[in-house]
Amino acid sequence: NAGVTQTPKFQVLKTGQSMTLQCAQDMNHEYMSWYRQDPGMGLRLIHYSVGAGITDQGEVPNGYNVSRSTTEDFPLRLLSAAPSQTSVYFCATREGYGYTFGSGTRLTVV
Amino acid sequence: GEDVEQSLFLSVREGDSSVINCTYTDSSSTYLYWYKQEPGAGLQLLTYIFSNMDMKQDQRLTVLLNKKDKHLSLRIADTQTGDSAIYFCAESTAGNKLTFGGGTRVLVKP
Repeated sequence: NAGVTQTPKFQVLKTGQSMTLQCAQDMNHEYMSWYRQDPGMGLRLIHYSVGAGITDQGEVPNGYNVSRSTTEDFPLRLLSAAPSQTSVYFCATREGYGYTFGSGTRLTVV
Repeated sequence: GEDVEQSLFLSVREGDSSVINCTYTDSSSTYLYWYKQEPGAGLQLLTYIFSNMDMKQDQRLTVLLNKKDKHLSLRIADTQTGDSAIYFCAESTAGNKLTFGGGTRVLVKP
């Protein structure tokens, strides 16, 4: 049981490039979400999904797209990366009251 | 709206008790959480408290909730050097969202 797996762990992008951050879970949790962590600001919710085929915006959705075609996977897409998207990204699932976080992807946009 | 505030930094001597404080604004919070983050790592759930409880104790950890003042605290007894980390409080509301404070960096001195 791997829990929540995020790939890659580190990524450097040039401004304007696109990429997909992957998140996979093997716990059969319906709820999945993406957060970004910036210094001194805690974690802020980007997008979330309450089940396959359903996604919704969080607090800071601009510049990011998501889709949820399966229960297991919830990829986060940056269509045209900007330096302001330099951050650490965390994927999280939830069942009941309990949230489980992945180990994060550290993204730098230059 | 939701807002969660924490002090930035706490320094404590090994063996003493640490108390980390948090205030929140959303009175509809259902669960309140404490997470620990070590350098370069993801978030580890330490403990949580349901909003209709006043106190919860779990080994060295004591959580106090004052719902009237919207104040949450985490007390760590017999603080060890391994407790040095960033601690985040977070509140969960009915809107499928986990709102984090900015984190308190705890430094344990030998």
